[in-house]
Amino acid sequence: GAVVSQHPSRVICKSGTSVKIECRSLDFQATTMFWYRQFPKQSLMLMATSNEGSKATYEQGVEKDKFLINHASLTLSTLTVTSAHPEDSSFYICSARPSGTAYGYTFGSGTRLTVV
Amino acid sequence: QKEVEQDPGPLSVPEGAIVSLNCTYSNSAFQYFMWYRQYSRKGPELLMYTYSSGNKEDGRFTAQVDKSSKYISLFIRDSQPSDSATYLCAMSVNTGNQFYFGTGTSLTVIP
Repeated sequence: GAVVSQHPSRVICKSGTSVKIECRSLDFQATTMFWYRQFPKQSLMLMATSNEGSKATYEQGVEKDKFLINHASLTLSTLTVTSAHPEDSSFYICSARPSGTAYGYTFGSGTRLTVV
Repeated sequence: QKEVEQDPGPLSVPEGAIVSLNCTYSNSAFQYFMWYRQYSRKGPELLMYTYSSGNKEDGRFTAQVDKSSKYISLFIRDSQPSDSATYLCAMSVNTGNQFYFGTGTSLTVIP
């Protein structure tokens, strides 16, 4: 089945630094990828929709300049958390859907970001 | 009001029990309903999906949708310790639209 690979699985960084998270579709092309954020015991919250070759669409309340998304190819989307602060500590998950499948959104394994 | 409401639990049942997980929603335009299973520190994996109202069965799992009541359910028969996870419901207006997730229900099946 479709696989979405997300790296790193866990990262600890110092406050003020930037962190890049990669999301790759391994066996399919994804014109659209989604980035979610999940706090403990809370729902997945959509942050942005990443579109190959164009600018990402951000949800209301998500800072574009803080969460930089680049979807440079049909198999790779990256999320960069810039100037990270402790409140950015969270679980970040990407997902994508192979074309031709109605329900088959596949999620990455997630990235646990801790900012100290 | 949240788009999707789901009791976070936690829910603890003995092995072999029937488990009932539920979500309610407010947007009558939702047509696609999904259940995801998420193990600790992992991404969600699609468990079942249904379109519009009705039932769908897959092995020990049954998904039900009642659009008139804006209520969906996931039943797990003969629950196993390996079923211990967080179960999230998700729904959307159509497959190209944003998914709305419930908060997830944490389930523990005790051997």
